[in-house]
Amino acid sequence: KNEVEQSPQNLTAQEGEFITINCSYSVGISALHWLQQHPGGGIVSLFMLSSGKKKHGRLIATINIQEKHSSLHITASHPRDSAVYICAVPETSGSRLTFGEGTQLTVNP
Amino acid sequence: DGGITQSPKYLFRKEGQNVTLSCEQNLNHDAMYWYRQDPGQGLRLIYYSQIVNDFQKGDIAEGYSVSREKKESFPLTVTSAQKNPTAFYLCASSMRSGRAFYNEQFFGPGTRLTVL
Repeated sequence: KNEVEQSPQNLTAQEGEFITINCSYSVGISALHWLQQHPGGGIVSLFMLSSGKKKHGRLIATINIQEKHSSLHITASHPRDSAVYICAVPETSGSRLTFGEGTQLTVNP
Repeated sequence: DGGITQSPKYLFRKEGQNVTLSCEQNLNHDAMYWYRQDPGQGLRLIYYSQIVNDFQKGDIAEGYSVSREKKESFPLTVTSAQKNPTAFYLCASSMRSGRAFYNEQFFGPGTRLTVL
């Protein structure tokens, strides 16, 4: 079973700061999923990536398959970015996900 | 609109009562999943189903039961055997995944169950 570790667990930033959240996993994977959980509990998918880099607005996700590491970056952070960010990797069967414990991000105005 | 619906958003039950949480999707997804989330913890898999009339236990299936009689629906019953049922429950669905490929899971809004 894949071990997934996220860091940091908690992150507080001032509006406008550049944010980085890290995710490491122990077993090679076909893809990695970044999720955002809002304070109300709903989860939305941010990125699914298997190599390189993806960008959507102020969010950028990168993955290094050889190092088994992914990062999620937020440029020009805003209070509305405050949420829990979760990375998840599929198990070798492909049908189940292993989740990191999440990073609680708080962006202060 | 295509998506996953869970109802109700908040649910209160007395200890010892069974309760069924609803999950419906109109995304034509084969696979459906139930997760439990406790405060400050990651998501844990309760049950999943990759096809109608078939389902598998996840990591914490004890005290829960499911059925998959229709492709669109995957209800979860929290039985009185579940020792600590108060939690946030999330349903998800995806196209069927396999050994060499993963299909993205999409999540419902969740149901917060409180057992009094």
